[in-house]
Formats: sequence, structure tokens, C-alpha cells
Amino acid sequence: EAQVTQNPRYLITVTGKKLTVTCSQNMNHEYMSWYRQDPGLGLRQIYYSMNVEVTDKGDVPEGYKVSRKEKRNFPLILESPSPNQTSLYFCASTLESSPAFFGQGTRLTVV
Amino acid sequence: RKEVEQDPGPFNVPEGATVAFNCTYSNSASQSFFWYRQDCRKEPKLLMSVYSSGNEDGRFTAQLNRASQYISLLIRDSKLSDSATYLCVVNPFTGGGNKLTFGTGTQLKVEL
Repeated sequence: EAQVTQNPRYLITVTGKKLTVTCSQNMNHEYMSWYRQDPGLGLRQIYYSMNVEVTDKGDVPEGYKVSRKEKRNFPLILESPSPNQTSLYFCASTLESSPAFFGQGTRLTVV
Repeated sequence: RKEVEQDPGPFNVPEGATVAFNCTYSNSASQSFFWYRQDCRKEPKLLMSVYSSGNEDGRFTAQLNRASQYISLLIRDSKLSDSATYLCVVNPFTGGGNKLTFGTGTQLKVEL
């Protein structure tokens, strides 16, 4: 089954404790992205990747890192999480100019 | 001005009604357009792509007006199960990447 898998689905953490949210897709898509969704602001792109070892900043990259060592995986790293990073996060993958497929989301709370 | 703008709603309509949503986009070079559906706090799912000539999928019709830079979604014979948030999505496709830009969504509530 074609899918994008994120883990964990839910996470509560404390300020400053490094965390990684994993994302994996099995569709051999070149493009992968991370978004955060906040009430009233919609989905905003954090980082995206056009292929292995090629990543670029989205609209709200501050406080986040990503890596793309393999085509299927695109982890999101928060080196020092802060409460303003409490949000709902989605990973997505796609082919160029095609619709995106989303993971089920990760609800992160930073206290 | 936001890159993609939608009326947030909510649109409260009775079952069986026809409802239309509009979405405007600012980048005239945008190439790809989509409507997504999102149920409460779940992942967005593709409802339909929007083609220049307009397209229909069952009760859903999408149209694109490049001159006025807006896309629309028409839902006929609304069902209770259509209650969701509808996201307008535009791909600027500036020649090297896939950078989808999302509207904030329009909330639809279909009532008995």
C-alpha cells in the first residue's frame, strides 16, 4: 500500500530536549516536505527536499533541521524545542507538479 | 496579500444543498492547482486536481479562472459526510521543485 509514515504520532516533551520525528515513504517520490499546521495559519512549509542530499528552507525553517540521506526517509529534527513549536506536523511526498500524499501527522507539545 | 486566500467559513448548509467555495491566488505563474479535504486534525487528502478546462468528479466540480486568478469548488447534493475543511492548494512551480502553498481552508458543516 502506498503510504507516508510518520512517527511518533503524539509526543510531549520538555523545552530544550532534542527530538526527531521520522518520515518514510514507499512511493519512490523525489520530493518530500515538512509542514506545520496551527489554528488560523493553515499549513506552512518548514523544509522541503527535491532529492537525496538536496534540501531547502520553506517558509518557517527557524528551529528545525532536516536531512535526506536516503530517498525514502526525511526526518525532522528539533535540536532545542521551544513551546512555540507546539503544533501539528505533517510530512508529505510527491512527484514534481503532482498532488502530495501526507502522513498521518505528529501532534507535538513542548512544555 | 496572502499567496492563497480562502473564506474560512464556516459554511453551514442543509443536507442536499449546493455549496460553492472560491479561492484566489497571487502568483500568476502558478501551474498546478488542487483541492484537498481535511477532517478534524487529520491529514489532508486529495479531493481533486483542478484543470484549465474544469473537471468534475461525481458531485464535485472544480474550475480554474487564470485571468482572475481564482479556483472554485462546487459540491452538489451535500451529504453529512461532506462536513470537513476544504483546502485550496497551489503549486507555483518556479522551475525546480514542488512547493505547494496552502490556503487556510474553508470549513463546511452539512446539517440535517
